[in-house]
Amino acid sequence: AQSVTQLDSQVPVFEEAPVELRCNYSSSVSVYLFWYVQYPNQGLQLLLKYLSGSTLVKGINGFEAEFNKSQTSFHLRKPSVHISDTAEYFCAGVIQGAQKLVFGQGTRLTINP
Amino acid sequence: DAGVIQSPRHEVTEMGQEVTLRCKLISGHNSLFWYRQTMMRGLELLIYFNNNVPIDDSGMPEDRFSAKMPNASFSTLKIQPSEPRDSAVYFCASSRKGRFHGYTFGSGTRLTVV
Repeated sequence: AQSVTQLDSQVPVFEEAPVELRCNYSSSVSVYLFWYVQYPNQGLQLLLKYLSGSTLVKGINGFEAEFNKSQTSFHLRKPSVHISDTAEYFCAGVIQGAQKLVFGQGTRLTINP
Repeated sequence: DAGVIQSPRHEVTEMGQEVTLRCKLISGHNSLFWYRQTMMRGLELLIYFNNNVPIDDSGMPEDRFSAKMPNASFSTLKIQPSEPRDSAVYFCASSRKGRFHGYTFGSGTRLTVV
């Protein structure tokens, strides 16, 4: 991807509420898309990825994302969040055939009890 | 699979000193990426290697920074001399051969230059 934009820098939600973290990409060619999660004082961990096939991708910890080519989006969703989901989430993309991931600026998800 | 291993986890050094950060790749991975993370700039790609060869070092801030990959499983990032503005968390990540499946990140080195 030439660029990846995460539309929200912070998202506060209440525990057990649904959440959507938004991500848009720009690219004139086919891309692979990823979501990573970073818990406090840790490295980035892969949540899920879209390489090809079904546009609805399921990841770890109950998260899923949908690849929408017409809207150039890859939004991350979870139907019911838990306190332990508090973290920073990064969307990233790469042009197929390339190796250099382009990261969004991150979205800080805060879960309130 | 031990994952990507970085050392040290924390480093505190005085301005002007040399700092060396280390990274061990996952066995079978052939690409290595060094990132810097700060509150102001977020995640920045500094340099990446493919099969031990530097491919893109356009993100290296200045000549004080250098990176090497002496063999297929190990890399170092050196800052000499260090400055307070180099304080950040430095991550390395690796990816495997063949079809791209994303990066595996290390736990990072938190560098503080005082």
